[in-house]
Amino acid sequence: TQLLEQSPQFLSIQEGENLTVYCNSSSVFSSLQWYRQEPGEGPVLLVTVVTGGEVKKLKRLTFQFGDARKDSSLHITAAQPGDTGLYLCAGVGGNMLTFGGGTRLMVKP
Amino acid sequence: NAGVTQTPKFQVLKTGQSMTLQCAQDMNHEYMSWYRQDPGMGLRLIHYSVGAGITDQGEVPNGYNVSRSTTEDFPLRLLSAAPSQTSVYFCASSYSKWGAARPPLHFGNGTRLTVT
Repeated sequence: TQLLEQSPQFLSIQEGENLTVYCNSSSVFSSLQWYRQEPGEGPVLLVTVVTGGEVKKLKRLTFQFGDARKDSSLHITAAQPGDTGLYLCAGVGGNMLTFGGGTRLMVKP
Repeated sequence: NAGVTQTPKFQVLKTGQSMTLQCAQDMNHEYMSWYRQDPGMGLRLIHYSVGAGITDQGEVPNGYNVSRSTTEDFPLRLLSAAPSQTSVYFCASSYSKWGAARPPLHFGNGTRLTVT
């Protein structure tokens, strides 16, 4: 079983602060996805990273895939209350998508 | 746009009871899957299917059965519910063939199951 560890598990910050969420594994993935989940709903895809070293930006969110394709990070600049939610990374291996434990982010106004 | 529809939204079972969680999608996706979500453990794959008539086990298949008789539907059966199966269950679908980048999983809104 491929395991993905996310850190931190919980993060509570003030509006305007920057933050980074990490997703680490000892396994190599063909690609990696980041999802965001709101209470009472299913996760929704934010981004897919494919190439080792790849960096993708989505407005204030920056996603990076590690050179060895074993880890990834999500950096949020100037967090806003609307960024509050559960962030999940998921590694792609064959037909299976393995999820990390998630980072629960709360951004206070 | 219905997307992925799960029913029921909530269910309470007694230990030993059986039930079926329903999942239907209207996007003509070949790939469908069931996850359970427990606090601090993210989403764990129970079973998946790459097309009608084909199913396979995920990480935590014990105590659950699935079948895929049509492209649209992928029900999850709990044969004899146990308190350890208390969880939120998500059904998800996607296209099953891709190039470099896996297509996104489209999730339903979940079924919250409590087994007493």
